[in-house]
Amino acid sequence: EVHLVESGGGLVQPGGSLRLSCAASGFTFSSYWMHWVRQVPGKGLVWVSHINTVGSTTTYADSVKGRFTISRDNTKNTLFLEMNSLRPEDTALYYCAREGMPTIDSWGQGTLVTVSS
Amino acid sequence: DIVMTQSPDSLAVSLGERATINCKSSQSVLSNSNNNNYLAWYQQRPGQPPKLLLYWASTRESGVPDRFSGSGSGTDFTLTISSLQAEDVAVYYCQQYHTSPWTFGQGTKVEVK
Repeated sequence: EVHLVESGGGLVQPGGSLRLSCAASGFTFSSYWMHWVRQVPGKGLVWVSHINTVGSTTTYADSVKGRFTISRDNTKNTLFLEMNSLRPEDTALYYCAREGMPTIDSWGQGTLVTVSS
Repeated sequence: DIVMTQSPDSLAVSLGERATINCKSSQSVLSNSNNNNYLAWYQQRPGQPPKLLLYWASTRESGVPDRFSGSGSGTDFTLTISSLQAEDVAVYYCQQYHTSPWTFGQGTKVEVK
């Protein structure tokens, strides 16, 4: 069974940084593209970033480009999202998600990021 | 970016009755190379992450009940729940994976009347 567990969320001041992690199990992590998707509580889903199987290709939403960095460690079956220069509008539940064939087919439970002074 | 617009924003349906949700994309999500529509539907129950229901606009994910069906092509799509069950109370999202960035509709909340 696919299992994705996010961690690293919390309360941070505007301009601060956080590093989210996503521990994957139950599948061959190194064979799948991975994504981060965020959701303001009570609102809709917004795609944030994705990374290919070996980490050589990454793409970002315009709203986070230059501030967020996605990466992965296939030896530890872990996905990361480094978030810098955080803004109040980055406040959301951040989901780690697996891209199956042909789209996102598995999601973690999410980790909450709150950007506030 | 491709904008996905769902209608209605919410609907209330009696148990056992049909629920229909529409999704319109600002650009076609039909691929000329393989004639597939790059359109998926997700269900998000309260307090839970989204769950994939359908992809290629009409292909059910493994384990999804056959009361869920999808139709449409190009820019206009529909999700139908043929006979609403209590466990179907949720927010439903369409999503296009034709063009980066992948985008979602704003969601449609389905409740029991």
